This record gives sequence, structure tokens and C-alpha cells, in this order.
Amino acid sequence: KNEVEQSPQNLTAQEGEFITINCSYSVGISALHWLQQHPGGGIVSLFMLSSGKKKHGRLIATINIQEKHSSLHITASHPRDSAVYICAVRSGNQFYFGTGTSLTVIP
Amino acid sequence: DTAVSQTPKYLVTQMGNDKSIKCEQNLGHDTMYWYKQDSKKFLKIMFSYNNKELIINETVPNRFSPKSPDKAHLNLHINSLELGDSAVYFCASSPRATGGYEQYFGPGTRLTVT
Repeated sequence: KNEVEQSPQNLTAQEGEFITINCSYSVGISALHWLQQHPGGGIVSLFMLSSGKKKHGRLIATINIQEKHSSLHITASHPRDSAVYICAVRSGNQFYFGTGTSLTVIP
Repeated sequence: DTAVSQTPKYLVTQMGNDKSIKCEQNLGHDTMYWYKQDSKKFLKIMFSYNNKELIINETVPNRFSPKSPDKAHLNLHINSLELGDSAVYFCASSPRATGGYEQYFGPGTRLTVT
């Protein structure tokens, strides 16, 4: 079993919809990262969280340390949000990655 | 200016060859990483260096040897390449090794071993 589980694996949404991607982990962590991998392959770090909630534009990330769970929300989704979203956690000197959620936003 | 750069972007080579991938960051970060993304798009950390010192060395074959001449560079040398080494290799950097810091990724190097 992977230390980091994401759901859903694949997600298709209509433009404008509110999107939620979930991440659960089974190890103690010092930080959780949300990454975005574009169709062209480049990876961008969206958020680094150790507690609470962060917001950048239409993206919101939350983490519940007690429940070992994080969510990434996208408000007013747009076709340019189509990408793979990856949850990663740091536990000591170890990094564990989820298998990613492939999001397609249809115009 | 590119923050984290990797060369080459594409590398096609035959089994048994030795090859290197270079990574440079101009962000002044102390920590650099190498990741491997396999054909199923699963990311896995390989190595991490902090100020030229190895701090993470995951279970990778010893044919893979990282080299950090200074804290702005972390190169990956691969000996006796095998078909299973075909993947995309990403370099990344972060300000510090400990604590929570965002990582900045390079564009990736797609290695194909034939």
C-alpha cells in the first residue's frame, strides 16, 4: 500500500465547476506539497502546507494533520487547469508521492 | 532567467552506455534533488544533497551516482544503462533541507535506452 493515496485518479469537469482532489497519507509528516504537472511534462509546486489552509488565486489547499488528509480545491475551473495534480509528503528525510489525479476541464 | 535548468532535455542511448545529466539552479538554494518518473507517471525521489553533502539516498542501483561540485549543481551519472532506466528524470531545489520549503523543479530529461 502506498504511503500517499489520492482520489480520484481521473476527473473530468465542465468549465466553471468547483473541483476537489483528496490526499490521504499514513506517515507522520513535516510538510505536504501539492504539485501540478502540465501536459507538456513540467512540474510546478502549487502549495506547501504544514497546517491549516492556503489560497493562491482560484486554488485552495487545506490540511488536517489529525486526520492525515489534505484537499486541493479549484474554484471556477478553466480548461487551462487541465493537468495532473500530485500530492507529496515529507516524512523526516523521506518523500512519498501519490500517483496523481489527472484533471480534464472541458470548455 | 531559468531557475532550475537541466541538460540535455532528451537523451537517447544504447544499453550498456554511460551517460550524465546535468542540473544547475540559480536560486541560491542549499538543497537539490533528483527524481525519477516512470512510464506510469509515478514520481520517486532518488537523491538529495544539502550543501554538496548527500542526505537522501534511496534504494537505487549503484550504477547511479550523483555528483555535486558546488551547491548550485547536482549532476547525475549513470553507468551501464539498462532498458529499465528509461524514464523522465527531474532535478529540483529548495532553500533548505529541513522544514517545509517549496521545491522548484527543472524541466525534466527524458532518457530513452534502446
